[in-house]
Amino acid sequence: EVQLVESGGDFVQPGGSLRLSCAVSGFTFTDFTMNWVRQGPGRGLEWISYIDISGDTIYYADSVEGRFTISRDNAKNFLYLQMNSLRVEDTAVYFCARGPALFHPWGQGTLVTVSS
Amino acid sequence: EIVLTQSPGSLSLSPGERATLSCRASQSVSTNNLAWYQQKPGQAPRLLIHGASSRAEAIPDRFSGSGSGTDFTLTISRLEPEDFAVYYCQQYGSSLPWTFGQGTKVEIK
Repeated sequence: EVQLVESGGDFVQPGGSLRLSCAVSGFTFTDFTMNWVRQGPGRGLEWISYIDISGDTIYYADSVEGRFTISRDNAKNFLYLQMNSLRVEDTAVYFCARGPALFHPWGQGTLVTVSS
Repeated sequence: EIVLTQSPGSLSLSPGERATLSCRASQSVSTNNLAWYQQKPGQAPRLLIHGASSRAEAIPDRFSGSGSGTDFTLTISRLEPEDFAVYYCQQYGSSLPWTFGQGTKVEIK
C-alpha cells in the first residue's frame, strides 16, 4: 500500500524555523518526483515546492522562495521541507504529494501554526 | 501565473441529482493538463480526473471530466451521499507555478 506520512508540524513564533518530514513507503521512492502543497485555514490549496528524483531540479512558489528548502533522502525514503523565517501567513496544513505535477497520492498532512 | 476560477462557489443538491462544476483558466492550459480533486473534511485531497477527462484508478464512472483550452467541467452524474465534499481543479502544465482553483463545495440540500 502506498503511504506518505508527514510529521514535524508545530506551533512556532514568527521568524522561527521548522523542519517537516514525509516518510514514504509502498512504492519505489527513486522513481518519482515529489512536492509539498499547503492549505491555509479555511483556504484553498497552494503548491509550494517540487524536487526531482536526484534533487538536482527544484522549484518553489514565489511565496516561499528564499525561505523554504526542499530536499530528499533517497536511501531513507524521506522528503523534507526546511522552513525558515516563518510568517503568520505560513500557517497551514502541509501535505507531501507524489509528483511530478499531478499530485497523487497525498499524505494526511501536518499542521504548522505561526503565531506570537 | 495561470489563475483558475471555479464556479459556483457552492452547490446545494440532493442525492441522485446531477452536479456540474466549472473551472475557467486565465490562459490556455497546455495539453489539457487539468486535474480535479475531491477533498472531504479533515482529509487530504484525492485525485479524480487527470488530462481533463481521464478518471484516476478506482474512481467511479459517475465522475466525468470534459473541456479544453480554458474551459473545463466536472460532472457527477448521480450524487451519492459520499460525494458531498469540496472539489478543486488544478493545472499542471509547463507553466509554473502549478495552481488550483478556489474550490466548489457540493453540499446536501
